[in-house]
Amino acid sequence: KQEVTQIPAALSVPEGENLVLNCSFTDSAIYNLQWFRQDPGKGLTSLLLIQSSQREQTSGRLNASLDKSSGRSTLYIAASQPGDSATYLCAATGFQKLVFGTGTRLLVSP
Amino acid sequence: DGGITQSPKYLFRKEGQNVTLSCEQNLNHDAMYWYRQDPGQGLRLIYYSQIVNDFQKGDIAEGYSVSREKKESFPLTVTSAQKNPTAFYLCASSTTQGGGGYTFGSGTRLTVV
Repeated sequence: KQEVTQIPAALSVPEGENLVLNCSFTDSAIYNLQWFRQDPGKGLTSLLLIQSSQREQTSGRLNASLDKSSGRSTLYIAASQPGDSATYLCAATGFQKLVFGTGTRLLVSP
Repeated sequence: DGGITQSPKYLFRKEGQNVTLSCEQNLNHDAMYWYRQDPGQGLRLIYYSQIVNDFQKGDIAEGYSVSREKKESFPLTVTSAQKNPTAFYLCASSTTQGGGGYTFGSGTRLTVV
């Protein structure tokens, strides 16, 4: 059974810092790895999707990497801003299922 | 713009009542899903459907029912058998097997009164 873990559970940083969010998964037989952002009381917004054959994806200040052999993905946020404050979720896609981690709650202070 | 629409945004249920949450997508996705989110527990899969007129139970299907009569629609009914229905419910869709990633709706917050 796939299990996804995210570390740290919460992170508080001053504006401008570069930061890394970690995601690990137990079953390397995944189709892809997807990172989402969730604002309080809102739905999930997709940030980056990494196909199983890919190593990384980039969008603006965000970069996500995937290492299937070690069961790890990282989300790198460059030059953090207060608007980046949210919960970040990673999810691993297996056969007909998306398994989520419990998220990292990020607070970026001005 | 293509997307997923969930309604209502807020829903209140009395004890013993069945309530139905709506989910509609115009992304032409074959697969649709319902997740439940509780504080500190992450998202858990309730039901999913890969094709019209077919659906499978997820990890926490007890007390819930679904139908998939149209490709665009996947309503979720929370029955009176669900003893702890207060939660945030999220609907999602994807291409078959999720190879193109998942798209989520904005959610419905259900509260028992």
